[in-house]
Amino acid sequence: QSVLTQPPSVSAAPGQKVTISCSGSSSNIGNNYVSWYQQLPGTAPKLLIYDDNKRLSGIPDRFSGSKSGTSATLAITGLQTGDEADYYCATWDGSLSTGVFGGGTKLTVL
Amino acid sequence: EVQLLESGGGLVQPGGSLRLSCAASGFTFSSYAMSWVRQAPGKGLDWVSTITGSVGGGSTYYADSVKGRFTISRDNSKNTLYLQMNSLRAEDTAVYYCARAQRITTGVWFDHWGQGTLVTVSS
Repeated sequence: QSVLTQPPSVSAAPGQKVTISCSGSSSNIGNNYVSWYQQLPGTAPKLLIYDDNKRLSGIPDRFSGSKSGTSATLAITGLQTGDEADYYCATWDGSLSTGVFGGGTKLTVL
Repeated sequence: EVQLLESGGGLVQPGGSLRLSCAASGFTFSSYAMSWVRQAPGKGLDWVSTITGSVGGGSTYYADSVKGRFTISRDNSKNTLYLQMNSLRAEDTAVYYCARAQRITTGVWFDHWGQGTLVTVSS
């Protein structure tokens, strides 16, 4: 069971918007920065968002991150079939003194 | 260009040992924290361990699931990260990724990843 909770799957049509939530606690998301990763099938994860809402250079502005309290959200607008992937949130847990990942969310673009 | 190349994976019996290596290039290796992240077949990402860079004094952090069995280390003269894995269990079977880490204790993020090396623990 992951320290950070994500929905197992989300889906939306091409061109639409989807949001992926990541829920934690005061020992992790509530007091530390969140990052988001995209993992296409058979490949290594790729950083999309760091420090809650900063896009890595080269990442389209269709991808955005936000945080409120102990929850973070990844939003993807103008969905494309190439966005079909697994998405993970991550942060540091100050109580555990460990890095922590969410369980991952599979995005299907219908 | 930042490159991370893992090696050392393979098939090992339960209770056995294995040492993974990650050769880094394209950046000042000693200045950065480095991490190992694993992914069991069909499962999600699982943070394993992090070692800080020179500024952080080479401090190490471990997931509870590997503490006391795995040891992370680095050789800055060789630009190489290591993971010594002892007392391996079936549940350690996974692809192990080497990743460059940033920020660490206030919200770690991993900006570059290797291609991964597969470790299979089975008799």
